[in-house]
Amino acid sequence: DAKTTQPTSMDCAEGRAANLPCNHSTISGNEYVYWYRQIHSQGPQYIIHGLKNNETNEMASLIITEDRKSSTLILPHATLRDTAVYYCIVRPPGTYKYIFGTGTRLKVLA
Amino acid sequence: DTGVSQNPRHKITKRGQNVTFRCDPISEHNRLYWYRQTLGQGPEFLTYFQNEAQLEKSRLLSDRFSAERPKGSFSTLEIQRTEQGDSAMYLCASSPRQSSYEQYFGPGTRLTVT
Repeated sequence: DAKTTQPTSMDCAEGRAANLPCNHSTISGNEYVYWYRQIHSQGPQYIIHGLKNNETNEMASLIITEDRKSSTLILPHATLRDTAVYYCIVRPPGTYKYIFGTGTRLKVLA
Repeated sequence: DTGVSQNPRHKITKRGQNVTFRCDPISEHNRLYWYRQTLGQGPEFLTYFQNEAQLEKSRLLSDRFSAERPKGSFSTLEIQRTEQGDSAMYLCASSPRQSSYEQYFGPGTRLTVT
């Protein structure tokens, strides 16, 4: 199964962009990358997903490298409420099994 | 929008007992997932339902675990002969047909096996 690798933790100043990297070097050609976040004591929350092209929605932007071996989630103006664990996730083709890694604990500092 | 609900929110049981958890997905969401999460780890996939059909089950799931979704609405997860290693948060998520990439998670059921 494809796996993802993320830094364990990151800090970001409030109002600045938070850039969260993810390595997924074993991803297959038709495998999407998904990002979710989990605020303490809550269930994970969907943020964004992509295949090849960069994606943007009201929450974040997703930049995927041309070789698709890594991606970066960008929160353009981080707020204190963005403090959470961010998961980069893949789903092997032909399955419904979403593989979460250990995630990046983002702390937004005032 | 009531969201995904799970009951009970907390369960303490003695080793060897059976436990059953319930998940009520968002109305008309035809896809339902169960995950297990231990401290410091990401959610770990357990099983997936599309309507009432269980289409995938993790190889990590032992025979002591069983899940059902009899009418394609609520789902139950049963653990028989609980072990201390079963202590975890059990999360349920649902997603609609038209945007299956977006899973809506419930608050989870925290199981403690003593």
